[in-house]
Amino acid sequence: RKEVEQDPGPFNVPEGATVAFNCTYSNSASQSFFWYRQDCRKEPKLLMSVYSSGNEDGRFTAQLNRASQYISLLIRDSKLSDSATYLCVVNAGGNKLVFGAGTILRVKS
Amino acid sequence: EPEVTQTPSHQVTQMGQEVILRCVPISNHLYFYWYRQILGQKVEFLVSFYNNEISEKSEIFDDQFSVERPDGSNFTLKIRSTKLEDSAMYFCASSSQGANQPQHFGDGTRLSIL
Repeated sequence: RKEVEQDPGPFNVPEGATVAFNCTYSNSASQSFFWYRQDCRKEPKLLMSVYSSGNEDGRFTAQLNRASQYISLLIRDSKLSDSATYLCVVNAGGNKLVFGAGTILRVKS
Repeated sequence: EPEVTQTPSHQVTQMGQEVILRCVPISNHLYFYWYRQILGQKVEFLVSFYNNEISEKSEIFDDQFSVERPDGSNFTLKIRSTKLEDSAMYFCASSSQGANQPQHFGDGTRLSIL
């Protein structure tokens, strides 16, 4: 089983749509969780940390379910500029981050 | 907003040559990292560095790789004898504390081995 697993997509959605991405992780000892976005051939950029209580940042909402080892990201009112690859990232102990392969989002007008 | 900077943006090197990739982490950060991303694949951890020593490294980080913080600002990755399969984007990252804190990435060095 992959350490961090994501649906690769692509998700093709119209502007204004709500879209949700899911991610599962295999190591139950994982301690911290993040969503990053990556534009084509660019660096990963932190979108948000994910907390057990769930957290929201504007149009973005992240949820963590430790029992199911599942993380989600919800994007409301999608913009063209949201088009990117969304990376689910987990710290399973130590200092390294483990990246999922990413989910491609394409927002179309 | 402070950022991680990397040089060069693109490095082309002949197979078997040594290459040094440079990074300037965010100034008050204490933890430093190198990752790589082969084209079309996921980001992979190489090494973490804290208090002037390697704190963790992956299986990829074999004897041909080394890291150094030669002064108070730079953090370098050296590949001693490059192979074709070393061609990738190399990202430097830093964090204020350990990996429970978000890591902030530089814009990468594209390494092309001929």
